[in-house]
Amino acid sequence: QKEVEQNSGPLSVPEGAIASLNCTYSDRVSQSFFWYRQYSGKSPELIMSIYSNGDKEDGRFTAQLNKASQYVSLLIRDSQPSDSATYLCAVNMWREGAQKLVFGQGTRLTINP
Amino acid sequence: GAVVSQHPSWVICKSGTSVKIECRSLDFQATTMFWYRQFPKQSLMLMATSNEGSKATYEQGVEKDKFLINHASLTLSTLTVTSAHPEDSSFYICSARAGRQETQYFGPGTRLLVL
Repeated sequence: QKEVEQNSGPLSVPEGAIASLNCTYSDRVSQSFFWYRQYSGKSPELIMSIYSNGDKEDGRFTAQLNKASQYVSLLIRDSQPSDSATYLCAVNMWREGAQKLVFGQGTRLTINP
Repeated sequence: GAVVSQHPSWVICKSGTSVKIECRSLDFQATTMFWYRQFPKQSLMLMATSNEGSKATYEQGVEKDKFLINHASLTLSTLTVTSAHPEDSSFYICSARAGRQETQYFGPGTRLLVL
């Protein structure tokens, strides 16, 4: 089992609809979770961080965390063509005495005009 | 805030030469910096973690003698790819974290092509 698992997609969503991206993680004691957006040829850009169970909203983005199910998701409301990118789920995990960010393989999202 | 820069943004070099990549935190002090590598259509893979003033910690399978990391100040870390070969061609991305904060901020990346 991968430490951080995402559906690689591609996920196609019509413009204006809600895009839903999901991620599961293996380490039950992880406490901090992140969503990054990566455009083709560019480096990751932080969208959201979440640390507590429940929802966290920032503009059109909502991150949801369920530690019991080891599940974190990202909802994008009113999707725009500019949201088309690869979305990386990342989880901070303790490995060999240090905290490291472990990435999922990313979900490629396409918003269709 | 939380801006990280990298230089150069891209580099082409001949096989056998060495290439140095700089990573700078512009508006905060980065006690820890990370170096990642990303091959096409793959996710980021952590290469090494560097803490200011101490030796870098390398991930399993990463050759420390080939990928030299120096983190001499709280705003600068360098990665030197020594004796580069075509298989080292990749997208190298650094990130920085301040103090006990958990968020990593990424630089824009350096694309390396070894001929």
